[in-house]
Amino acid sequence: DAGVIQSPRHEVTEMGQEVTLRCKPISGHNSLFWYRQTMMRGLELLIYFNNNVPIDDSGMPEDRFSAKMPNASFSTLKIQPSEPRDSAVYFCATIHLTGELFFGEGSRLTVL
Amino acid sequence: GEDVEQSLFLSVREGDSSVINCTYTDSSSTYLYWYKQEPGAGLQLLTYIFSNMDMKQDQRLTVLLNKKDKHLSLRIADTQTGDSAIYFCAESLMGGGADGLTFGKGTHLIIQP
Repeated sequence: DAGVIQSPRHEVTEMGQEVTLRCKPISGHNSLFWYRQTMMRGLELLIYFNNNVPIDDSGMPEDRFSAKMPNASFSTLKIQPSEPRDSAVYFCATIHLTGELFFGEGSRLTVL
Repeated sequence: GEDVEQSLFLSVREGDSSVINCTYTDSSSTYLYWYKQEPGAGLQLLTYIFSNMDMKQDQRLTVLLNKKDKHLSLRIADTQTGDSAIYFCAESLMGGGADGLTFGKGTHLIIQP
């Protein structure tokens, strides 16, 4: 298994543009998490899914943020429109059936 | 609410032991974790401890849990340059972290030659 795969690894965009981050989780998982990491706030849980169903999205900062998980192999986090304060590293993570939380390498977003 | 706190920096000499401390507020935490993040990478699980344990050892790593004081520590023996990273303490209420982990802001471990 290649682990949790995120794309793009780096994205630079202008304020107002739509941003879509993608995650391919490891096989055999049942939960998927989106985290955001900044220097000021550290790691924040944005949303998590269990069996492809969103369970808790209370961490999503604003309506500009949305996440979907159409199937067990794919999830997206979308920001529309993006703002400079959205600049951060966004991590996707999944829990393996063994209970260990596996993180992707992250997507570094810069909004100018 | 849930809160996990750590010191932001720790500097140690190569070969010495490093002790990274963490405090948490939620007494219902069932699992407590230590993650390591190297530059430009995601977080990697180092070790975890169940709340009904008070110590766990794994090679150079020793985790101590004081549930009464809600204090968790990670000791790295014989600290090496490859240990230079950010170390995150995290807690989970549900078994296996199924509800998502709450992380501290991380401790930057700096190794001096």
